[in-house]
Amino acid sequence: DADVTQTPRNRITKTGKRIMLECSQTKGHDRMYWYRQDPGLGLRLIYYSFDVKDINKGEISDGYSVSRQAQAKFSLSLESAIPNQTALYFCATSDALVRETQYFGPGTRLLVL
Amino acid sequence: QKEVEQNSGPLSVPEGAIASLNCTYSDRGSQSFFWYRQYSGKSPELIMFIYSNGDKEDGRFTAQLNKASQYVSLLIRDSQPSDSATYLCAVKERFGAGTTVTVRA
Repeated sequence: DADVTQTPRNRITKTGKRIMLECSQTKGHDRMYWYRQDPGLGLRLIYYSFDVKDINKGEISDGYSVSRQAQAKFSLSLESAIPNQTALYFCATSDALVRETQYFGPGTRLLVL
Repeated sequence: QKEVEQNSGPLSVPEGAIASLNCTYSDRGSQSFFWYRQYSGKSPELIMFIYSNGDKEDGRFTAQLNKASQYVSLLIRDSQPSDSATYLCAVKERFGAGTTVTVRA
């Protein structure tokens, strides 16, 4: 089984809808991250969490919120989706013992119409 | 200025040649530097990390770090078609835009 899983893998939604992307991990890492990837822009950090009680904004947090329900679960919500949030979203965990090497989930492809 | 910048590419090299990828970063206090590889439609995966000045070699890959110049590079020797991918430079959780490498058979 994959160490970092994301659901759904693909999602089509309409402008104004609320949507949640979920991430689960079995790696036992405390740190978890949400990124979005757009062509030519690389990975941009949305939110990150160092433990259940610690949530931090990344470089592009506007329009997004997160919830860290447990060490193993980190959810990303789009409160009112807009077309420019169409992107590939990755969840990742990091290992403090290996200099914060990141381990990525398979990604969620989101299309906002 | 972006925190992590990579040479824009795309980079096309013949099979067996050396591919050279470059990356600069803005935070002089950064300690950990990573190169990830991402195949089309897949998630990024770690190739190497480096945190000391100098070179670090792993098989056909060599990472080079120069903290004074705020510069990190990746060399891919004896490039193979399977090396065709996008390579992402990262400074902890901050990523560059990536350089797409195509190895011509």
